[in-house]
Amino acid sequence: DAGVTQSPTHLIKTRGQQVTLRCSPKSGHDTVSWYQQALGQGPQFIFQYYEEEERQRGNFPDRFSGHQFPNYSSELNVNALLLGDSALYLCASSSSGGRYREQYFGPGTRLTVT
Amino acid sequence: KQEVTQIPAALSVPEGENLVLNCSFTDSAIYNLQWFRQDPGKGLTSLLLIQSSQREQTSGRLNASLDKSSGRSTLYIAASQPGDSATYLCAVPNQAGTALIFGKGTTLSVSS
Repeated sequence: DAGVTQSPTHLIKTRGQQVTLRCSPKSGHDTVSWYQQALGQGPQFIFQYYEEEERQRGNFPDRFSGHQFPNYSSELNVNALLLGDSALYLCASSSSGGRYREQYFGPGTRLTVT
Repeated sequence: KQEVTQIPAALSVPEGENLVLNCSFTDSAIYNLQWFRQDPGKGLTSLLLIQSSQREQTSGRLNASLDKSSGRSTLYIAASQPGDSATYLCAVPNQAGTALIFGKGTTLSVSS
């Protein structure tokens, strides 16, 4: 049973560019959440997707957008990259059918903006 | 607004020691609390999840306790090993149950 997978593993982009990160949820999960983890910090919630719609959003600018596909996989897009966007981006999946469902995390994508 | 704090930020111990990591949260109306392990540059591995109705959970050499009234949780690691070296994070869900709110973590180093 595959867990949460993310691609790519590492990514280097230049300031001002755009980037797309991908996530496939754990089998049986239909909800995907994205987190940003800066060096030495705990993960910060970006947004959550359920039924192909953004269910809730954290304190992140509109440069951060996402999408969920009918197969429950998800993409995180970041436009107009800033140096401060350099971080580990974590995807987590969970099942619906109630609040406070346990979230399972993927290995992350390390984004470096130069 | 819920805030999660972890003390200490870093801890170095010799192999074999028992140790305690601390986590505190400002809003005691939590549904559960979760402890994670993170190796450098890697994703999060769930260690223990304690429901609000529980006082503690155990998995092998790990024991986590929860005191909602005081806004505290502790992670006890018995007979530490070099392989336990990692960053340990605690997290609680927000009121909507959609997001986890994390502390900054405690980075543990166990020397042989």
